[in-house]
Amino acid sequence: DTAVSQTPKYLVTQMGNDKSIKCEQNLGHDTMYWYKQDSKKFLKIMFSYNNKELIINETVPNRFSPKSPDKAHLNLHINSLELGDSAVYFCASSLKPGENEKLFFGSGTQLSVL
Amino acid sequence: QQQVKQSPQSLIVQKGGISIINCAYENTAFDYFPWYQQFPGKGPALLIAIRPDVSEKKEGRFTISFNKSAKQFSLHIMDSQPGDSATYFCAADDTGTASKLTFGTGTRLQVTL
Repeated sequence: DTAVSQTPKYLVTQMGNDKSIKCEQNLGHDTMYWYKQDSKKFLKIMFSYNNKELIINETVPNRFSPKSPDKAHLNLHINSLELGDSAVYFCASSLKPGENEKLFFGSGTQLSVL
Repeated sequence: QQQVKQSPQSLIVQKGGISIINCAYENTAFDYFPWYQQFPGKGPALLIAIRPDVSEKKEGRFTISFNKSAKQFSLHIMDSQPGDSATYFCAADDTGTASKLTFGTGTRLQVTL
């Protein structure tokens, strides 16, 4: 059973489109995250939700909107996609905020904006 | 501002050799230092972590050395194996605040036969 699963694994789309990435965790964790990994492999946190509430919102364009319908799901919606949005997006979860020693990552969604 | 600097960017080690990856940090509030291992097409996975109250932590072939005064920490992989070939990320966190890992830039390790 996959602990943190995200779909789709690959997403190819045109500039200006709107797309969503879904994430689900079956670990019973309270906290979920979105990280972005750029072409140079640099990983940076975008958002963090604890029990459906936003607790971390880094300097991310407001075209990116996370949505957490329940604590097991954290989806990422991106409006008006730009070339610079091309990256691998990772969902992650941890038991509680601050318990990063228990941070589990999904396998990533490779987004390519053409 | 790159708060966690990692080197080298890439590393080639022969099988059985020692792989050493170094990281330096700036924020003295950081109190948790994990290393993550990432294979192609996969998400990062926690390998080993240390808190600043100890200078060294060993788990199997993997050792973290921590130097609080120099604000540096390093990962040593003893008896490196081809299966260790992956990208390694150091990270740091101030767990006292709204916690978020700050990652280094990654080291691509290749272990040759």
